[in-house]
Amino acid sequence: GENVEQHPSTLSVQEGDSAVIKCTYSDSASNYFPWYKQELGKRPQLIIDIRSNVGEKKDQRIAVTLNKTAKHFSLHITETQPEDSAVYFCAASGAGDYKLSFGAGTTVTVRA
Amino acid sequence: NAGVTQTPKFQVLKTGQSMTLQCAQDMNHNSMYWYRQDPGMGLRLIYYSASEGTTDKGEVPNGYNVSRLNKREFSLRLESAAPSQTSVYFCASGSPVGRGNTIYFGEGSWLTVV
Repeated sequence: GENVEQHPSTLSVQEGDSAVIKCTYSDSASNYFPWYKQELGKRPQLIIDIRSNVGEKKDQRIAVTLNKTAKHFSLHITETQPEDSAVYFCAASGAGDYKLSFGAGTTVTVRA
Repeated sequence: NAGVTQTPKFQVLKTGQSMTLQCAQDMNHNSMYWYRQDPGMGLRLIYYSASEGTTDKGEVPNGYNVSRLNKREFSLRLESAAPSQTSVYFCASGSPVGRGNTIYFGEGSWLTVV
């Protein structure tokens, strides 16, 4: 099955700086890559996703890039704010698949 | 529109006891899932149901059983709880993700086995 690896496991940034989280996947047939944000004690919530026919997608301060050849995708958060502090999960799913495989998560701390 | 609702939110069990986690969704999704979340290990799939009437094992199915009662409801049962099953359990639902649709999570159930 699909194996997703996520790095780094923890990330501390100064408010206003950028944060980058990277994920790799194993199944070249995977075609859907969502990112979830989980605040302490809350459920994971979708923040952005990308499909394999797109190389980059932006939504305000967050962006995701996909490199299908290298089988990796990244989350970029610009101008970080304290409310960006959370655990972020990447995930991947293959064509015709019914399930998502998740990375182990990255704990992001934004220092004021 | 409540989305995905799961109960109970908190539960303490003694080793060997049994219990069922209930989940219901009102988004008319075909697929439903049970994940467990442990520190440093992300979200691991226990069981899923691609559509009403079907269930399949995920990564960590041992010690669990599931029932897809109807399109809305998907329950997870622990027959004989073990301390290793102490975790946060999330139910989720979605349209087939292989078609580029994501899944939506319930609020979670915190289970402690002593």
